[in-house]
Amino acid sequence: SQTIHQWPATLVQPVGSPLSLECTVEGTSNPNLYWYRQAAGRGLQLLFYSVGIGQISSEVPQNLSASRPQDRQFILSSKKLLLSDSGFYLCAWSLAGDQPQHFGDGTRLSIL
Amino acid sequence: QKEVEQNSGPLSVPEGAIASLNCTYSDRGSQSFFWYRQYSGKSPELIMSIYSNGDKEDGRFTAQLNKASQYVSLLIRDSQPSDSATYLCASRATGGGNKLTFGTGTQLKVEL
Repeated sequence: SQTIHQWPATLVQPVGSPLSLECTVEGTSNPNLYWYRQAAGRGLQLLFYSVGIGQISSEVPQNLSASRPQDRQFILSSKKLLLSDSGFYLCAWSLAGDQPQHFGDGTRLSIL
Repeated sequence: QKEVEQNSGPLSVPEGAIASLNCTYSDRGSQSFFWYRQYSGKSPELIMSIYSNGDKEDGRFTAQLNKASQYVSLLIRDSQPSDSATYLCASRATGGGNKLTFGTGTQLKVEL
């Protein structure tokens, strides 16, 4: 069966510091991968998605970037964090076609 | 912009009652719909997928889809306190990447 791992679970970072969040999927090949952010009390905002290695689509222009260096690895990065980057970051995967997405446990990011 | 609308709630029901959660969507091209449950502080968990008009039952859960009215609902029979959570409705967006458009969720409270 497929599993998704996301780490770290919580992170506290100062404003202006860099960020790297990692997500890996096991048990499947060539999954679609997604990064979402959920602000407190708000809905899910799609940040990036990827349909293959090196293929990244950005949904929201901001100071974040994503990369997919391997088939089942998805990385969310920032060079300089802003206060507004605080939130709950979720990685998800799906098979191609008309399939649901499945979420990792998320990273709760606080910016001080 | 394509949207998925949900009443934020909270929806309060007594234990053992039927909880009815509703969702409307604006993208007439959407063909697939999903319900996720999200406990406070946790990531969303897939409950139901529905692709065709009508009802789909899985245990205590029934999803209903009416594409003509652009309406999706989730019924939870014999509601339990453990069902207390936020329920997210999602539609698969037209276009590539198997992207989902999420509603902001309805908070359900099942009271003893």
